[in-house]
Amino acid sequence: QKEVEQNSGPLSVPEGAIASLNCTYSDRVSQSFFWYRQYSGKSPELIMSIYSNGDKEDGRFTAQLNKASQYVSLLIRDSQPSDSATYLCAVMVGGKLIFGQGTELSVKP
Amino acid sequence: DAGITQSPRHKVTETGTPVTLRCHQTENHRYMYWYRQDPGHGLRLIHYSYGVKDTDKGEVSDGYSVSRSKTEDFLLTLESATSSQTSVYFCAISENPQETQYFGPGTRLLVL
Repeated sequence: QKEVEQNSGPLSVPEGAIASLNCTYSDRVSQSFFWYRQYSGKSPELIMSIYSNGDKEDGRFTAQLNKASQYVSLLIRDSQPSDSATYLCAVMVGGKLIFGQGTELSVKP
Repeated sequence: DAGITQSPRHKVTETGTPVTLRCHQTENHRYMYWYRQDPGHGLRLIHYSYGVKDTDKGEVSDGYSVSRSKTEDFLLTLESATSSQTSVYFCAISENPQETQYFGPGTRLLVL
């Protein structure tokens, strides 16, 4: 089992809809979780970090963490074509960041 | 890119030749990392550094070495490049290992 798993997609949503991106992880002692966005040909950029169970909101983005279920998600409200990118889930394990393979999101006008 | 530069940005080389990639930061962060990104594998840690002259191996360190003689510079060396090392290489920095990592612009390496 991979340490961090994401659906590879592509996930296609219409403009204005909510995009839901999911990530599961295997290490129960993980304490830090991150979502990065990566446009094609560019480097990953941080969108959200979350450390405690529950929801964390930042503008149109909401990260949700459930440590008991080993599950972290990212919701993008009012999706825009500019949100089209690959979203990387990353989990801190033993001081090292372990990345999922990423979910490709396509927002259709 | 949080004050991180990588050089070169693109490189084509031949199998068996040595290659050195450079990461330079202006943020004075203690931790620096080298990742490679390949289709189907995502981002994988090669080596990291927790201070000047302090380095350790990551998940895919075979065939790579690193050096850090100054806080701001972290070098990745492929002693004898192979075609399997064709990849996009990213450098990242962080203030401490539990916090956010910020990525450089990347280096595209093609080994023929």
